[in-house]
Amino acid sequence: GQQVMQIPQYQHVQEGEDFTTYCNSSTTLSNIQWYKQRPGGHPVFLIQLVKSGEVKKQKRLTFQFGEAKKNSSLHITATQTTDVGTYFCAAYNFNKFYFGSGTKLNVKP
Amino acid sequence: GAVVSQHPSRVICKSGTSVKIECRSLDFQATTMFWYRQFPKQSLMLMATSNEGSKATYEQGVEKDKFLINHASLTLSTLTVTSAHPEDSSFYICSALAGTGGDEQFFGPGTRLTVL
Repeated sequence: GQQVMQIPQYQHVQEGEDFTTYCNSSTTLSNIQWYKQRPGGHPVFLIQLVKSGEVKKQKRLTFQFGEAKKNSSLHITATQTTDVGTYFCAAYNFNKFYFGSGTKLNVKP
Repeated sequence: GAVVSQHPSRVICKSGTSVKIECRSLDFQATTMFWYRQFPKQSLMLMATSNEGSKATYEQGVEKDKFLINHASLTLSTLTVTSAHPEDSSFYICSALAGTGGDEQFFGPGTRLTVL
């Protein structure tokens, strides 16, 4: 099945520092989505990227889709304690979603 | 945004019993629902795709006779874990596609299953 690799597995940052998580696929993707899951909660949709080279921003979050549509990244500028959680990418192919392994972000105040 | 409910939120059962989990889209019709399983501190593993009015499509390695899925209406899909065993203990999450042309998934709150 679809393989989606995500790194790093964990990231501990001081509040105010930046954070980036990367997602890589073995195949070209139709689109890629990003989700955030707070501890004890369920995944919440953040954004969808469709076009090659697409860049989208949501306040302090910047999402990129690679030119080859095989990789993506999520960058958070000046992290806050409210950013704590696990960030998943999800590759959409063949009418299914395949989740990356997730990056757990911990922000120290 | 669209709301998906899941019931029960938590269930504890004895080994050998069957457990039914319901997933409902509350304010939209969902032609497609997905069932995921999540182990502690791990990612979501797609178990099956549920389409209204047709048989579910199971991922490789997922026993369809073990995990029965029924998508009886555009707002309801059920997952039944048959003859549950301790290794079936996990967090089960459903999601639904709104069918408006977008691919955004709306997730239910999940069901924590513990099999004794």
